[in-house]
Amino acid sequence: AQKVTQAQTEISVVEKEDVTLDCVYETRDTTYYLFWYKQPPSGELVFLIRRNSFDEQNEISGRYSWNFQKSTSSFNFTITASQVVDSAVYFCALSEARAGNQFYFGTGTSLTVIP
Amino acid sequence: EAEVAQSPRYKITEKSQAVAFWCDPISGHATLYWYRQILGQGPELLVQFQDESVVDDSQLPKDRFSAERLKGVDSTLKIQPAELGDSAMYLCASSPGPINEQFFGPGTRLTVL
Repeated sequence: AQKVTQAQTEISVVEKEDVTLDCVYETRDTTYYLFWYKQPPSGELVFLIRRNSFDEQNEISGRYSWNFQKSTSSFNFTITASQVVDSAVYFCALSEARAGNQFYFGTGTSLTVIP
Repeated sequence: EAEVAQSPRYKITEKSQAVAFWCDPISGHATLYWYRQILGQGPELLVQFQDESVVDDSQLPKDRFSAERLKGVDSTLKIQPAELGDSAMYLCASSPGPINEQFFGPGTRLTVL
């Protein structure tokens, strides 16, 4: 079973639009960590955020915000006022404490911001 | 800013040949990971080291793949013999510990002809 599901394979938005990338995870652990990574065309994965299962507080960092809801097992990522430089593949990942903290990546969402 | 170094960046080889990839993690990072990423998919963990010890290699095809981190610092991933299906991006990542975020290197793009 897929532990991390990113149902949106590709998204295209026009510059300055807001966009939300969905992430749904599956775990039986009570202690786990959620992550978002960005992979631009250059290929290198860039860490964006880490969240632990005990902290459901939403976070905002500039134009980026994350909505963590344990009730729906979701950890969604919103980019406000998108820019062309946001074009990349975005990966959500789960790390379970019980499984030795192995990372499980989703299949990624490819975001294209059209100027 | 500290970075994870990988070499080579690109490798083209013929099937049945041997290839090796090298990774130098961020200084002080005890945990090192090797991933394989096929185009259009998310990274798949091949092996995880804690210092010089392997803590997870359940997804490593051990008949042809091997990995080592002899002194608990840099690491080498080897494929022998390479097969056409091994064409992918091989990513190395490191972290201070297994519950921390991972920092990725630029990857090695392998093409097997």
